[in-house]
Amino acid sequence: SQKIEQNSEALNIQEGKTATLTCNYTNYSPAYLQWYRQDPGRGPVFLLLIRENEKEKRKERLKVTFDTTLKQSLFHITASQPADSATYLCALVLPNDYKLSFGAGTTVTVRA
Amino acid sequence: EPEVTQTPSHQVTQMGQEVILRCVPISNHLYFYWYRQILGQKVEFLVSFYNNEISEKSEIFDDQFSVERPDGSNFTLKIRSTKLEDSAMYFCASSEYLRETYNSPLHFGNGTRLTVT
Repeated sequence: SQKIEQNSEALNIQEGKTATLTCNYTNYSPAYLQWYRQDPGRGPVFLLLIRENEKEKRKERLKVTFDTTLKQSLFHITASQPADSATYLCALVLPNDYKLSFGAGTTVTVRA
Repeated sequence: EPEVTQTPSHQVTQMGQEVILRCVPISNHLYFYWYRQILGQKVEFLVSFYNNEISEKSEIFDDQFSVERPDGSNFTLKIRSTKLEDSAMYFCASSEYLRETYNSPLHFGNGTRLTVT
């Protein structure tokens, strides 16, 4: 069966460090993968979309990589700040499906 | 920046009652969605809507659920007879692209917290 798996444990890091989050998928090859941020009690906010033919995408302090061989996307927050504390969700369209499905998310806490 | 708005922010209802959750998608978007998130769980797809009809629905979206676009701006989710397990955050979302729509970024509202007692 197809799955979307994110780091199951919360990530606690010191301000200024880089946070690296993982999204793994099994048994298929999505053409796109998206990352969202969700704050408590709020809706997800779109951050980045990466296509299968793109190895890397950047937006300000965020960087996403997409390794179709490893079936994995990495999401990096560089020079992290306390304001980056949130849950980060990866999302993609599963095969033979017509909707965006979300991973369970990884909660990041950045300590000042 | 345009945003998706949802009302009410919190709805408390008794089991068996009908509720209507309301959403105003971004005005030039053509695709509309409802997702829900039970506390502590992941965001789950319920239904997508395009051109005044449902284009996709999940197993969760049974006969107790319905969606409607009653006018040019609102998009509603109705639960006919609420159950305790319907308690969740319900998010409305919209997207604009026509091509490769299923991979288009979604713009979410901030949700309606539904509590069924």
